[in-house]
Amino acid sequence: SAVISQKPSRDICQRGTSLTIQCQVDSQVTMMFWYRQQPGQSLTLIATANQGSEATYESGFVIDKFPISRPNLTFSTLTVSNMSPEDSSIYLCSVTGPNTGELFFGEGSRLTVL
Amino acid sequence: GENVEQHPSTLSVQEGDSAVIKCTYSDSASNYFPWYKQELGKRPQLIIDIRSNVGEKKDQRIAVTLNKTAKHFSLHITETQPEDSAVYFCAASGTSGSARQLTFGSGTQLTVLP
Repeated sequence: SAVISQKPSRDICQRGTSLTIQCQVDSQVTMMFWYRQQPGQSLTLIATANQGSEATYESGFVIDKFPISRPNLTFSTLTVSNMSPEDSSIYLCSVTGPNTGELFFGEGSRLTVL
Repeated sequence: GENVEQHPSTLSVQEGDSAVIKCTYSDSASNYFPWYKQELGKRPQLIIDIRSNVGEKKDQRIAVTLNKTAKHFSLHITETQPEDSAVYFCAASGTSGSARQLTFGSGTQLTVLP
């Protein structure tokens, strides 16, 4: 299994500001994934963070809005830029287990934008 | 791309009864089908998964069945208990190790009534 720590666990932000979420994994992983879960909704993949290269974004998500860093094999950050109330969501960091392909999730960062 | 539909969106059962959640997928190349359970305020966690080379898999009170011809798979929970109350997500993937190919269903809120 993988132990994933995320912070902040929750935050209340003002419109127009930016917030960076940190994700730390207890083992080295090639890919780290960032998901968004809007209130009462399913999980939507934002991007895949690869160490040593730019993140790969899914349709509907752009780097200017969600810049990602991946400085090493155990750490990544996701920034939510120029926030609006529509960005109020839970943001989850995730990695794949080494043997089974199981997805492990961090506890999530619940953002509320006023 | 893959499209996963999940039904029902909400399900209430009496404690001790069985619960069944169904999902259909569109991509015949998908070969990995995990189920995640998300308790209120917590991270999603894998509860069972099945690969396309088997038709059924059981783990104590939980079972998953897969019909590749019809492109649907189902989660069965027997002898439900109040702690089974949660949101359940199905997913389908072409490659078990790649979250980029993992598409989630919309989720089912299961409530087990004591």
